[in-house]
Amino acid sequence: DTAVSQTPKYLVTQMGNDKSIKCEQNLGHDTMYWYKQDSKKFLKIMFSYNNKELIINETVPNRFSPKSPDKAHLNLHINSLELGDSAVYFCASSSLPLHEQFFGPGTRLTVL
Amino acid sequence: SQQGEEDPQALSIQEGENATMNCSYKTSINNLQWYRQNSGRGLVHLILIRSNEREKHSGRLRVTLDTSKKSSSLLITASRAADTASYFCATWGSWGKLQFGAGTQVVVTP
Repeated sequence: DTAVSQTPKYLVTQMGNDKSIKCEQNLGHDTMYWYKQDSKKFLKIMFSYNNKELIINETVPNRFSPKSPDKAHLNLHINSLELGDSAVYFCASSSLPLHEQFFGPGTRLTVL
Repeated sequence: SQQGEEDPQALSIQEGENATMNCSYKTSINNLQWYRQNSGRGLVHLILIRSNEREKHSGRLRVTLDTSKKSSSLLITASRAADTASYFCATWGSWGKLQFGAGTQVVVTP
């Protein structure tokens, strides 16, 4: 009965490749997020969707493109991967934007 | 720049002791939230305290909020080895998103 799930858990790939990370929540929440956590554990929001609509789009390279096919899913596609994209990416959801957030287990992306 | 900053960056205590960590922020907030992250795992929400609240409790956790000083504290009483984790404060304000601090790494030794 996982609340927020992400796949894959680990992703190792070469520079220049395109990859996707998938996220699903079964909490019935309207709002979903993507965060990036760097090597110093600093967590920064990338995108937020509310009811499939993009509401937050931080200063993120346009190589990153989120897609929300429905309220329960928010996927992240990354084109032309660079070394600096290596990080842990977390998906999260909340019932409303200012409420507590529920996080997925994270996807550790390593770009070689 | 970061909205919230935790202090200390790292804390090492023995089981049974209390652990206190502080969070300072820069601008007015709607609420402040504390999260825990175990090594290699996702963040887990601990407590949300609204700007008009001063103190909240949840089990062995006690959170205070002083909006005049723009600071919050998280107290873990009677710590256990399982409390070993990183603890993050996060603030929600008019900017419309949750902004996290850099975290406090807590190690509880048996």
